[in-house]
Amino acid sequence: DTGVSQNPRHKITKRGQNVTFRCDPISEHNRLYWYRQTLGQGPEFLTYFQNEAQLEKSRLLSDRFSAERPKGSFSTLEIQRTEQGDSAMYLCASSPKTRPDTQYFGPGTRLTVL
Amino acid sequence: GDSVTQMEGPVTLSEEAFLTINCTYTATGYPSLFWYVQYPGEGLQLLLKATKADDKGSNKGFEATYRKETTSFHLEKGSVQVSDSAVYFCALTLNSGYSTLTFGKGTMLLVSP
Repeated sequence: DTGVSQNPRHKITKRGQNVTFRCDPISEHNRLYWYRQTLGQGPEFLTYFQNEAQLEKSRLLSDRFSAERPKGSFSTLEIQRTEQGDSAMYLCASSPKTRPDTQYFGPGTRLTVL
Repeated sequence: GDSVTQMEGPVTLSEEAFLTINCTYTATGYPSLFWYVQYPGEGLQLLLKATKADDKGSNKGFEATYRKETTSFHLEKGSVQVSDSAVYFCALTLNSGYSTLTFGKGTMLLVSP
């Protein structure tokens, strides 16, 4: 396994700008998760994909957030009109069909909104 | 809703000391329980897990026992090393759901030589 990769690793943007993050899960993992982690807190679930279908979204995922997994492989998370409160680490995880409860996490994308 | 409560850190120990990090949970169903570790500058790594009551998860000298009667999953290690310094997260997932994880706030462990 090459592991879950995320790009970019760091993003600094100005309030009001749009940003997009990418996650490449472990090959053949059909489940993909996005979490958000703020300083001093544990990760909080944002959304979940099984293959290309987005099956669950947290109430944390406001209408400024959108996620896609168009071909059931990589996923993108877009935040429109960023706010300072969006500053956080955005984590992606994937898990295989045979062991859905074992999630492998990427290194995260750290977003700073100025 | 489902939640996980961990003891607050930092926990500061000398090398070879005994470690306990407390974790309790609240869940509406029958959860699986996990400990994840986050080393400085790295991503979350699964440390150990237990899927049903009385199961013991173990890895790298760490262990935790799923106690349904006390809704707890305390992490223990008999002799810590400096390299164990990290943030430890307790988490649960409901077996009836999509396996989304609910995490505690994390406990930082600092081990000095």
